[in-house]
Amino acid sequence: SQTIHQWPATLVQPVGSPLSLECTVEGTSNPNLYWYRQAAGRGLQLLFYSVGIGQISSEVPQNLSASRPQDRQFILSSKKLLLSDSGFYLCAWSGGGREKLFFGSGTQLSVL
Amino acid sequence: GENVEQHPSTLSVQEGDSAVIKCTYSDSASNYFPWYKQELGKRPQLIIDIRSNVGEKKDQRIAVTLNKTAKHFSLHITETQPEDSAVYFCAGNSGNTPLVFGKGTRLSVIA
Repeated sequence: SQTIHQWPATLVQPVGSPLSLECTVEGTSNPNLYWYRQAAGRGLQLLFYSVGIGQISSEVPQNLSASRPQDRQFILSSKKLLLSDSGFYLCAWSGGGREKLFFGSGTQLSVL
Repeated sequence: GENVEQHPSTLSVQEGDSAVIKCTYSDSASNYFPWYKQELGKRPQLIIDIRSNVGEKKDQRIAVTLNKTAKHFSLHITETQPEDSAVYFCAGNSGNTPLVFGKGTRLSVIA
């Protein structure tokens, strides 16, 4: 069966520091991969999605970037974090039909 | 692109009563409509979904109805229990783009 791993679960970072969040999927090949952000008590904002290695689509302009160095690995990065980057970050995957979305356990990021 | 509106934003019901959450979508080409439940601090989890060739789908106390003509779909939870308390998200997609989510409904079931 397919599983998705996301780490770390919580992260506290100072303003201006870099960020790297990693997500891996097991049990499937060529998944569609996604990064979402959720501000406290708010909805799901799609940040990036990828349909294949090296293919990244950005949904919103920000100081974040994403990379997909391997088929089942998706990385979210920032060179310099802002206070507004705080939130709950969720990695997700879907099959070729881009329908059923399965989320990782999330990373609670606090930028102080 | 697709736009999904969800109402209400908050909903309180007495335990045992029914809860209904409604969503509308804009893209008539959308053909897949899932519902996700997110408990506090946890990941959203798929609880039920429906495709555009079906008008209704049930899974125990949960049902989803779809009206393609009016472009709206609803989640129905019967005999609500305290563990149903969570944020519920509807979504829609037309297959070629990522799911578009509604803004969520915070359901509180009062014992």
